[in-house]
Amino acid sequence: DAGVTQSPTHLIKTRGQQVTLRCSPKSGHDTVSWYQQALGQGPQFIFQYYEEEERQRGNFPDRFSGHQFPNYSSELNVNALLLGDSALYLCASSFGTGRDTQYFGPGTRLTVL
Amino acid sequence: EDQVTQSPEALRLQEGESSSLNCSYTVSGLRGLFWYRQDPGKGPEFLFTLYSAGEEKEKERLKATLTKKESFLHITAPKPEDSATYLCAARSNDYKLSFGAGTTVTVRA
Repeated sequence: DAGVTQSPTHLIKTRGQQVTLRCSPKSGHDTVSWYQQALGQGPQFIFQYYEEEERQRGNFPDRFSGHQFPNYSSELNVNALLLGDSALYLCASSFGTGRDTQYFGPGTRLTVL
Repeated sequence: EDQVTQSPEALRLQEGESSSLNCSYTVSGLRGLFWYRQDPGKGPEFLFTLYSAGEEKEKERLKATLTKKESFLHITAPKPEDSATYLCAARSNDYKLSFGAGTTVTVRA
């Protein structure tokens, strides 16, 4: 049973560029949540997708957007990258929008130069 | 605003030296308290979910407990492979997860 997968593993971008990160949920899961984890900090909630719609959002600007596909996979897009966007981006999947445990992928390490 | 605070930030233990990690939380209507383990550069690995005060869960050398304001993760007779960062997260009544900054545990042989 495949767990949550994310791609790419690492990414280097320059300020002002745009980036797309991808996530495939664990088999049987239909909900994807995205988190940003800065070095030495806990993950911070960005948003959650269920039934191809954004259901909840954390305190992140509109530069952060996402999408969920009919097969439940998801993308995180970040526009106009800032140095402060450098972080580990984590995807977590679950069944349903709230009550189930979230299982995390390995993350994508984004470095903005 | 929901808040989760973990202490200590770092813990260095000798193999076999038991200890406890603390997680204090302030959330609107707790809908679950979660513990995860995270190895460097990897995603968090799920350990436990606790739902009500007085609940306890165990897995190998780890035991998690919950009160109305705190959760504790007890590590009994740790081994070097228990070295990791342990994250605590609280889910509020809008089902958002708020994480603490974690406790980094180092176990020396």
